[in-house]
Amino acid sequence: AQKVTQAQTEISVVEKEDVTLDCVYETRDTTYYLFWYKQPPSGELVFLIRRNSFDEQNEISGRYSWNFQKSTSSFNFTITASQVVDSAVYFCALSEGHKLTFGTGTQLKVEL
Amino acid sequence: SAVISQKPSRDICQRGTSLTIQCQVDSQVTMMFWYRQQPGQSLTLIATANQGSEATYESGFVIDKFPISRPNLTFSTLTVSNMSPEDSSIYLCSVVPGLSSTEAFFGQGTRLTVV
Repeated sequence: AQKVTQAQTEISVVEKEDVTLDCVYETRDTTYYLFWYKQPPSGELVFLIRRNSFDEQNEISGRYSWNFQKSTSSFNFTITASQVVDSAVYFCALSEGHKLTFGTGTQLKVEL
Repeated sequence: SAVISQKPSRDICQRGTSLTIQCQVDSQVTMMFWYRQQPGQSLTLIATANQGSEATYESGFVIDKFPISRPNLTFSTLTVSNMSPEDSSIYLCSVVPGLSSTEAFFGQGTRLTVV
C-alpha cells in the first residue's frame, strides 16, 4: 500500500525566512507521480507541482523549489523568503493510477 | 486544465437528514473522484464516480451511506445520507481530464457541519 508521511505537523516562521516542508513516501510502483498542494484557509486545494518518478531534476518556480530524491523516497518543498500569504496547509500526495494518497499535511504559519 | 464548480459551498444540516453535493466541470473529463477531509485531517478518497455505472468505493465507504451518481462526463453528485456529527467534513470533488493526464484538479469543496 502507498503511504505519504509529512512529519511536520506545524511550522511557524517569520516573514522572509526560508522554510522546508518534508515529505517521505512509500510505494511499490516503479512509475508514480508526486504532488504538492496548498490549502489556504478558504479550503480549496491549489495545485503546486507534479513530478514523475523518472524525473529527479529539482525544480524551481519563483520562490518555490522542490527536491526529489528517489534514493531516500523524499520530495521536499522549500519556500524562499516566505510571505504571510504563504500561510496555509500544504499537502504532499502520491498517485496510484489516478487516485491520490495524501499525507497528513503541514500547517505553515508565516508571521510578520 | 478544468474548472470545477461545487455546490453548495457550505451547509449546516440536522442529524438524520441527507445532503446532496453537486460537482460540475466545464469540460468533459475521464475520471471524477470524491474525497473527504475531516476536521484537521488529510484527504481520504471516498470513491471513483463512474459514468453510467455504479461508483467504485474505497475501503470503509459504502454506497448506502454515500450514494454517487455520474450521469455524464461533466457532472457528478455525492449524497451524504442519514448524517451524524461525525460526517462533518469538507467534501471535495476531483477530476482527471484524460486517461493520459497525470494532474488532478479539485473543486473548492463543500464544508458540511452536522448538528
